[in-house]
Amino acid sequence: EAEVAQSPRYKITEKSQAVAFWCDPISGHATLYWYRQILGQGPELLVQFQDESVVDDSQLPKDRFSAERLKGVDSTLKIQPAELGDSAMYLCASSPWTGEAYEQYFGPGTRLTVT
Amino acid sequence: QQPVQSPQAVILREGEDAVINCSSSKALYSVHWYRQKHGEAPVFLMILLKGGEQKGHEKISASFNEKKQQSSLYLTASQLSYSGTYFCGTAPRGGSQGNLIFGKGTKLSVKP
Repeated sequence: EAEVAQSPRYKITEKSQAVAFWCDPISGHATLYWYRQILGQGPELLVQFQDESVVDDSQLPKDRFSAERLKGVDSTLKIQPAELGDSAMYLCASSPWTGEAYEQYFGPGTRLTVT
Repeated sequence: QQPVQSPQAVILREGEDAVINCSSSKALYSVHWYRQKHGEAPVFLMILLKGGEQKGHEKISASFNEKKQQSSLYLTASQLSYSGTYFCGTAPRGGSQGNLIFGKGTKLSVKP
């Protein structure tokens, strides 16, 4: 069964350092999402891509976060500089268009700890 | 704008039934349900579209009342594997259908 791949699974970084996360969606899924999930909360959308184009990045803190999906396949999310409040699970999801809605399939996530 | 889920937590004995509710203040296009186990990614359960459709997945089914902007997830004859946190994600009508807003989750614990 095809899955969304993410790496690394865990990342510990110091405040003010740069950090990057990678996501490889399920083959054929044109839509890709990055979410942030704080412990005890639901996922919060950061950015949505359709192929290589950004559809929605209204919740992305653009002063320190950036995301790209250059060839419309895999994607990278970067934080620079990291802050203590960025500690969270970063989830990538991808979805096909079913003709009526998007069914989103999540990867295993990257657990980020900022010290 | 974030949907409200209730209850926040529920404890069941194996074989018992449960209902989890999701309520939005916005008109909705669709409601998505996910289950997340501790330390794992959310797993897609089902999607409900406007029109009052009811869908099922194993012994888990759900309904969507478009007029009340509410969805309910029904778990019957619960199994130990049903334990986890259940999230509803809502797609407001008129917005991006992929831009889901998730509730805070309902933690379900099934005991032997």
